[in-house]
Amino acid sequence: GAGVSQSPSNKVTEKGKDVELRCDPISGHTALYWYRQSLGQGLEFLIYFQGNSAPDKSGLPSDRFSAERTGGSVSTLTIQRTQQEDSAVYLCASRLGSAVQETQYFGPGTRLLVL
Amino acid sequence: RKEVEQDPGPFNVPEGATVAFNCTYSNSASQSFFWYRQDCRKEPKLLMSVYSSGNEDGRFTAQLNRASQYISLLIRDSKLSDSATYLCVVNRGGSYIPTFGRGTSLIVHP
Repeated sequence: GAGVSQSPSNKVTEKGKDVELRCDPISGHTALYWYRQSLGQGLEFLIYFQGNSAPDKSGLPSDRFSAERTGGSVSTLTIQRTQQEDSAVYLCASRLGSAVQETQYFGPGTRLLVL
Repeated sequence: RKEVEQDPGPFNVPEGATVAFNCTYSNSASQSFFWYRQDCRKEPKLLMSVYSSGNEDGRFTAQLNRASQYISLLIRDSKLSDSATYLCVVNRGGSYIPTFGRGTSLIVHP
């Protein structure tokens, strides 16, 4: 596809369950970002990938959060033992390279609700 | 002081009005700047980059003031469809992580 895609678009889970969120970046984009956005709040940076490496994981809120990227393409964000405060929209963005002048393109997000 | 600050609004304006938003940034090493637009329950989308000399795209004008460390967005002849949240984005030199402001809400009414 032409844009960034994410799946699932919505996820409802019970507290304590694990969830996996997927991001397919734009083909050829080497940089990939995960953000979290709670209702009425700004974007919270979670993790940045350049290729398959994650040089910056500083935004992951706890060790329950992890992410990987394979083949320089698809990325998966995993949240273990979900808590109600994890409820948010999880947004993925990709960028062609690492130059600061380049534009980020966002996917539609995954809306996560933890009951 | 937050790295990127925006007035959350909302700015409530009638159709046809001119409205301006500012965004201040704290790091003087910031190198590139953008305005994104986010509609309700949608993802952010690039509205325009902000160049040192200022730039215009139709009804939208972006300006950068490095001395005072702020960027601005001017919208002329507001349309109902301009109603959205406008996010300021700043990239620091040496960092690959863009910093997003929390956004300014604009409501254009008939």
